[in-house]
Amino acid sequence: QVQLVQSGAEVKKPGASVKVSCKASGYTFTKNGIAWVRQAPGQGLQWMGWISASSGVTNYAQNLQGRVTMTTDTSTSTAYMDLRSLRSDDTAVYYCARGFYSADAFDIWGQGTMVTVSS
Amino acid sequence: DIVMTQSPDSLAVSLGERATINCKSSQSVLSRSNNKNYVAWHQQKPGQPPKLLIRWASTRESGVPDRFSGSGSGTDFTLTISSLQAEDVAVYYCQQYYSTPPTFGQGTKVEIK
Repeated sequence: QVQLVQSGAEVKKPGASVKVSCKASGYTFTKNGIAWVRQAPGQGLQWMGWISASSGVTNYAQNLQGRVTMTTDTSTSTAYMDLRSLRSDDTAVYYCARGFYSADAFDIWGQGTMVTVSS
Repeated sequence: DIVMTQSPDSLAVSLGERATINCKSSQSVLSRSNNKNYVAWHQQKPGQPPKLLIRWASTRESGVPDRFSGSGSGTDFTLTISSLQAEDVAVYYCQQYYSTPPTFGQGTKVEIK
């Protein structure tokens, strides 16, 4: 079946970096893009950015420019989200989601990866 | 950025009764070129990722029960659960995908009365 499977939970110190993976299966990876959406504890959903799986073109949220990098590996149908200079307010569940466009009705979601930033 | 505002923040409905959630966008999300409203509705159960229920404001995804329906146009949208079931307890989010960045409402928590 169509699914996105993410890497496991991470605990990081302030100032460190984290890289979350998202492996796609059940569909042609390069026919869509992957968005990343985060959810702080008890809060709503915030779009972080999107990458085209075919071209590698990215579109990042303005408030994360310079700290986030999204990449894909088409040989393994895996997307990656790298977030640097972590702060305590980056503590959240990070989701990948399938979307053809950077703004899309995201139809398949990963299970989420909890990233905790704490000293 | 387009701001999506949902109301109410929470509601409690008896089993079998109707639940109605409203969503208002800060600008129109109706495309004049294809006459489609770029609004989706997602359901998020505790400890789970969101699940897409409806796109284009009123088109249900495959497998979504027909007790879920979406309506509205322009800036005002509604998600209706016609007969609430126990498994519908969740937080519901509207989302616009008319422009980047896509944005979500703050969520509406639906509980059983």
